Amino acid sequence: DIQLTQSPSSLSASVGDRVTITCRASQTIYSFLNWYQQEPGKAPKLLIHAASTLQSGVPSRFSGSGSGTAFTLTLNSLQAEDLATYYCQQTYSSPYTFGQGTKLEIK
Amino acid sequence: QVQLVQSGAEVKKPGASVRVSCKAAGYTLTNYGISWVRQAPGQGLEWMGWITRYNGNTNHAQKFQGRVTLTTDTSTNTAYMELRSLRSDDTAVYYCAREYFSDTSMEVRFDLWGQGSLVTVSS
Repeated sequence: DIQLTQSPSSLSASVGDRVTITCRASQTIYSFLNWYQQEPGKAPKLLIHAASTLQSGVPSRFSGSGSGTAFTLTLNSLQAEDLATYYCQQTYSSPYTFGQGTKLEIK
Repeated sequence: QVQLVQSGAEVKKPGASVRVSCKAAGYTLTNYGISWVRQAPGQGLEWMGWITRYNGNTNHAQKFQGRVTLTTDTSTNTAYMELRSLRSDDTAVYYCAREYFSDTSMEVRFDLWGQGSLVTVSS
């Protein structure tokens, strides 16, 4: 199985900050990497697919980059409503594994 | 409105089975695949398996082999996940998610999620 390792596991940032979350794969997954946001008590929501494509309706302050084994999710101009846990997911091969999550807190 | 509506919370005893339903509204279920993902309390997301849009073929994570059955009912536009021989560590919120597959880029994404169904396994 392909392992995904996210860093950091948690972080705290202020409104207006720029935040970066990293996801590393145990082998190449090309660009088959998605990012999801899970607000407390809610189902996950797709933010980014194919490593860098913004899902329809997602604010443009979210962006994704990377390919191969190293990927990044960036949140520009952090908003209070961005309080959530963020997960990466690979869909290169079954099983479609997720990273362990990054919990984002707002200072 | 396009959405996936799941069945309600269940409480089961160890060794029992549970079936969770996932009804598609606003689109035809079999035009897309469906994956099932679970989340134990305070934990991350765990992919369980999927049922394809084409012919209903299924694929499961190795740890669920022999315990999980994924099906769809086209007459009611509903997908089902049955998990057998329940253990306490199966206590989790179970989600269904629509798999969007791009024929051009060959990428898969989970673009629509159900609200989740809490399954509690306790004696």
